[in-house]
Amino acid sequence: GQQLNQSPQSMFIQEGEDVSMNCTSSSIFNTWLWYKQDPGEGPVLLIALYKAGELTSNGRLTAQFGITRKDSFLNISASIPSDVGIYFCAVTYNNNDMRFGAGTRLTVKP
Amino acid sequence: EAQVTQNPRYLITVTGKKLTVTCSQNMNHEYMSWYRQDPGLGLRQIYYSMNVEVTDKGDVPEGYKVSRKEKRNFPLILESPSPNQTSLYFCASSLFSSEPQHFGDGTRLSIL
Repeated sequence: GQQLNQSPQSMFIQEGEDVSMNCTSSSIFNTWLWYKQDPGEGPVLLIALYKAGELTSNGRLTAQFGITRKDSFLNISASIPSDVGIYFCAVTYNNNDMRFGAGTRLTVKP
Repeated sequence: EAQVTQNPRYLITVTGKKLTVTCSQNMNHEYMSWYRQDPGLGLRQIYYSMNVEVTDKGDVPEGYKVSRKEKRNFPLILESPSPNQTSLYFCASSLFSSEPQHFGDGTRLSIL
């Protein structure tokens, strides 16, 4: 099926370090999304990618839609304590369905 | 303020006692959906609705029902809850199905 493999599962980093996480799939998708979930809240959209090869930034966040349309990565530069949370990749397919990766849990040590 | 509102936020109940989790959005979105979040599994879609009176099963619909009588509301119904439905549930909405979704703050259900 349209399974997403998100890695790493968790990361423990020092404040100020850069972070990189990615999602891969054996299927092709037309849209890749990255969400962040703060503790006790619902996921919030960070970046949406609609075109293969597209590189999009949102402040310290940068995400790319892989050229093969089967993968995407999210980078966070100069991490700060409020970056803590769970990051999810997601794809839309069949115009109706959305599928999420299992999430990357980020911990930032001050 | 544009938002998706779920109620209750927390519920502890017993096996077999019917419960309903309400979801309401004030953005005039056509598309609404329900997810459950379990450790290591991410978010899995339970049901979705493309518009009023149109609902479809997601990946894990067993044991759940939904209805979409009005555009703004999309309640999730557990007719006979069981312990394996203990989870964190999220309602989400978007203008259309192809648009990124806005999520509520979640409902934590514990079925004893």
